[in-house]
Order: sequence, then structure tokens, then C-alpha cells
Amino acid sequence: QKEVEQNSGPLSVPEGAIASLNCTYSDRVSQSFFWYRQYSGKSPELIMSIYSNGDKEDGRFTAQLNKASQYVSLLIRDSQPSDSATYLCAVRRTGTASKLTFGTGTRLQVTL
Amino acid sequence: DAGVIQSPRHEVTEMGQEVTLRCKPISGHDYLFWYRQTMMRGLELLIYFNNNVPIDDSGMPEDRFSAKMPNASFSTLKIQPSEPRDSAVYFCASSRGGVNQPQHFGDGTRLSIL
Repeated sequence: QKEVEQNSGPLSVPEGAIASLNCTYSDRVSQSFFWYRQYSGKSPELIMSIYSNGDKEDGRFTAQLNKASQYVSLLIRDSQPSDSATYLCAVRRTGTASKLTFGTGTRLQVTL
Repeated sequence: DAGVIQSPRHEVTEMGQEVTLRCKPISGHDYLFWYRQTMMRGLELLIYFNNNVPIDDSGMPEDRFSAKMPNASFSTLKIQPSEPRDSAVYFCASSRGGVNQPQHFGDGTRLSIL
């Protein structure tokens, strides 16, 4: 079992729709969770972080964390073509200092 | 604030040559990470430093790879001798200490070994 798992996609959604990206992790005592966006040929860029169970909203983005079920998700409302990118889920496990474990990413395509 | 600065942005060299990648972390960040990204393997952590000291180098693929951090504002990743399978994008990232601190990535070095 991979430590952090994501569906590689591509996930295709029409412009204006809600995109839902999911991530599961294996270490039950993981502490903090991050979503990065990576455009083709560019570096990963932090878009959201979440540490407690529940939802956290920032503009069109909502991160959701459920520690009991060991999943974290990212919702993108009113999806735009500029949201087309690969989204990386990263998890900080207990006792690993500042080290992050990354998933392989989900490629999102927002179609016109 | 300036972000993480990496150089060079692109490097093309022949097999067997020494390659040196450079990174300047964000000022005040005491953790520095080196990653390699390929289509096949995704983003892999190679090594990371805390306060200039290597903490975990278990991701370094083999003895041909070495990394140093002589001071808080500079780190190098060397490959000697280089091989075609080392071709990848190499990212440097830095962060403050603390469980909730994110990592911030540089623009990466795209390395091609011919």
C-alpha cells in the first residue's frame, strides 16, 4: 500500500463545474496535509493546507479532512480552464520532522 | 520575499560528466529538501537538511549522488559521474520548522544527460 494515494486521472470537468480531487493516506497518525498545484513544466505551488477534521475554505478552493477515514480532498468550485494542472497531495507523518510524503498527483482538465 | 532560487534552470551534458545543481533557500527557513521528479516515479525526496545538517539521505539513489549545505543560504547536489537515467527535473524546497509549515519549491533544474 502506498503511503499517499491519488487517482492519476485525468479528471475531466466542464468549465463552471465542481472538481473533486481525492487523496488517501496510510499512516493514521499523520498530522498535516497540503495540496499543491503543478502546471506542466513548472514547480509545485502550495494552494491549501489543512490540519483539523472538517472543511477549510479559501476562495474557490475547499479542503476537506477526515482523519477517521484517512482521506483528504480538494474541491474546486466554478472550475476554470486555468485550473487545468496536476494536483499533488502531501502528508506530514508524525515523527518525520518537516518531511512531506507526496502522492503521484491527479491531472485535472477543465474543458470549455 | 525572494523565493527558493535554483541554478541552472537547464543543464545538458554528456554521460560521465560531473553535474552540480545549486539552491538558495528562503531566508529564515531551516529545512532544505532536494527532490527529483520524473514521469515514471513522480516526485521523490532525495535528501533533506535541518540547520545545514543532513537528516535523511535514504532517497539518494547511489553513491554517484552527493549533497552538501555549507551554510544556511546555499546547498549543492552533485552527480558524478552522470548517467542518462539521471535525466529528470530536480527541485529544491525549503521550509520553517514546525508540523504545520509547508514547503516552498524553487523553479527546478531540468537536467538532460546525453
